[in-house]
Amino acid sequence: GQQVMQIPQYQHVQEGEDFTTYCNSSTTLSNIQWYKQRPGGHPVFLIQLVKSGEVKKQKRLTFQFGEAKKNSSLHITATQTTDVGTYFCAGSSNDYKLSFGAGTTVTVRA
Amino acid sequence: GAVVSQHPSWVICKSGTSVKIECRSLDFQATTMFWYRQFPKQSLMLMATSNEGSKATYEQGVEKDKFLINHASLTLSTLTVTSAHPEDSSFYICSARGTTFYEQYFGPGTRLTVT
Repeated sequence: GQQVMQIPQYQHVQEGEDFTTYCNSSTTLSNIQWYKQRPGGHPVFLIQLVKSGEVKKQKRLTFQFGEAKKNSSLHITATQTTDVGTYFCAGSSNDYKLSFGAGTTVTVRA
Repeated sequence: GAVVSQHPSWVICKSGTSVKIECRSLDFQATTMFWYRQFPKQSLMLMATSNEGSKATYEQGVEKDKFLINHASLTLSTLTVTSAHPEDSSFYICSARGTTFYEQYFGPGTRLTVT
């Protein structure tokens, strides 16, 4: 079945620095979604990418979908303490089910 | 965004008993609801997909007789963990999607502890 791999598993970042988390699927996706889960909380939808090569920005977050629709990345600039949490990518084929990556857990040192 | 509630938020039960968890979409009609299980510091594992008015579709390795799912209305799905054992202790999260959007909105989760 569909597998989504995500790296790195942990990202410890100095406040103000940038970082990127990467996602790769074993199969071509119809869309990829990103979620953020704060410690003790539940996943919250961030964004969906549908088109090949698509790039979307949300303030300091930049999301990309690869040309082959098999990989994606999330880049965060000028990391803040509010960025702490686990970021999951989740890939979907046409059946609306999501296959979640392992997540990247981000901690920030001031 | 759309709101999904889940009840109870936590439950402790004795081994051998059954526990029911409710998932409700509060401000939209959820044609599809999903049930996930999440172990500490791990990702979400999809257990089953339920569509209103039809039987749930279970993922490989998930026992349908142990995890009973009912999606009786467009706003309510329930997960019943039957004859619970300590290894069933976990964080169970539901999510829902409507007819007009792809993304899923998650409930706050239910932490189940089986003693």
